[in-house]
Amino acid sequence: SQQGEEDPQALSIQEGENATMNCSYKTSINNLQWYRQNSGRGLVHLILIRSNEREKHSGRLRVTLDTSKKSSSLLITASRAADTASYFCATWTTDSWGKLQFGAGTQVVVTP
Amino acid sequence: DTAVSQTPKYLVTQMGNDKSIKCEQNLGHDTMYWYKQDSKKFLKIMFSYNNKELIINETVPNRFSPKSPDKAHLNLHINSLELGDSAVYFCASRPGTPTNTGELFFGEGSRLTVL
Repeated sequence: SQQGEEDPQALSIQEGENATMNCSYKTSINNLQWYRQNSGRGLVHLILIRSNEREKHSGRLRVTLDTSKKSSSLLITASRAADTASYFCATWTTDSWGKLQFGAGTQVVVTP
Repeated sequence: DTAVSQTPKYLVTQMGNDKSIKCEQNLGHDTMYWYKQDSKKFLKIMFSYNNKELIINETVPNRFSPKSPDKAHLNLHINSLELGDSAVYFCASRPGTPTNTGELFFGEGSRLTVL
């Protein structure tokens, strides 16, 4: 089963606008990660936020984490056409070997 | 200088055939994975190897057999292909002993289409 669920499933915005997507997860976590997948390509790691962090920035990306609500959000500011991609949140299971489980993804389309 | 490379990128075959997908990583990582991404983009872990040893085997039909000849390579062989096997298969790797932390490095995917 999917560990995370993402919302919205799809998002269409104009260049220069901000894009926000949310992720909810089910079990306790050590950290939460966000990945980007361009069409026809592999997943690329964007940012990791630890469970004791509430907010983290990386360039135009801002991630928040609310462990009490078991949710995270990814904000892309001043979006560009090149940001068009699917975005996935991911969390590790807590068993000994650990499995990285992914949400369903948010498909973002940025039009020029 | 691709970090995680998979071959082939595309594979079209008939039901009942046997096929293999190969993965190699030049990152020096100890742990490798196979994930399956379906048509709705859901990603599901299939297998994981750490230093050539199988450590994760999800509920995958035994028609799927992974093999890791060394820690830089992880292959996936699929017997008696079925329509439902059509998907994109991703190889991934990570450094060190597998724990519940850290990021994965993904290959570009191998799109399998079963007719």
